[in-house]
Amino acid sequence: SAVISQKPSRDICQRGTSLTIQCQVDSQVTMMFWYRQQPGQSLTLIATANQGSEATYESGFVIDKFPISRPNLTFSTLTVSNMSPEDSSIYLCSVGRTSGNNEQFFGPGTRLTVL
Amino acid sequence: GNSVTQMEGPVTLSEEAFLTINCTYTATGYPSLFWYVQYPGEGLQLLLKATKADDKGSNKGFEATYRKETTSFHLEKGSVQVSDSAVYFCAPYYGGSQGNLIFGKGTKLSVKP
Repeated sequence: SAVISQKPSRDICQRGTSLTIQCQVDSQVTMMFWYRQQPGQSLTLIATANQGSEATYESGFVIDKFPISRPNLTFSTLTVSNMSPEDSSIYLCSVGRTSGNNEQFFGPGTRLTVL
Repeated sequence: GNSVTQMEGPVTLSEEAFLTINCTYTATGYPSLFWYVQYPGEGLQLLLKATKADDKGSNKGFEATYRKETTSFHLEKGSVQVSDSAVYFCAPYYGGSQGNLIFGKGTKLSVKP
């Protein structure tokens, strides 16, 4: 398994502002992912964070709204831009060790509330 | 597209009761199958997995068997404890290099002493 930390653990933000969430892993991993869990809902994959290249976004998610960085094999950030109350969710990063190894480990999540 | 259907909750049981949470998935290819658990206020944890037909995943007294003929991966535990109170997610993985876990809607389990 991997130890994954996220910062901040929670935040309350104003409409129209942006928040950057950090995800740190204790070892090098090939695959890093960002998910959203809206209140009372299941998890939805936002994007795959690719090291050294642009992230791959799922249908319904765009880079302008959710820019992602992945500068190395242990770290990634997700920014929620120009926030609205509909962005209130838990945002989780997850990691997988190798492409094709389908086991993923999740961080503790960042609980975001937008007023 | 691929999808997963999970028993809706909430489920409320008394301690030491038998638990079943149903999960069925679409039969596109041969997905690996996972159950994740989310305890109150915590992130997701992998509970168990099965990667091929007839495999049985088990952990912490929970079991689930990969049933290809019924496209199911039902979660069971013979005797639940209060500490098992959590939300359980069934998640098939349909392959590819992306994080293609498809999560069910989650089943909230509450165990009363």
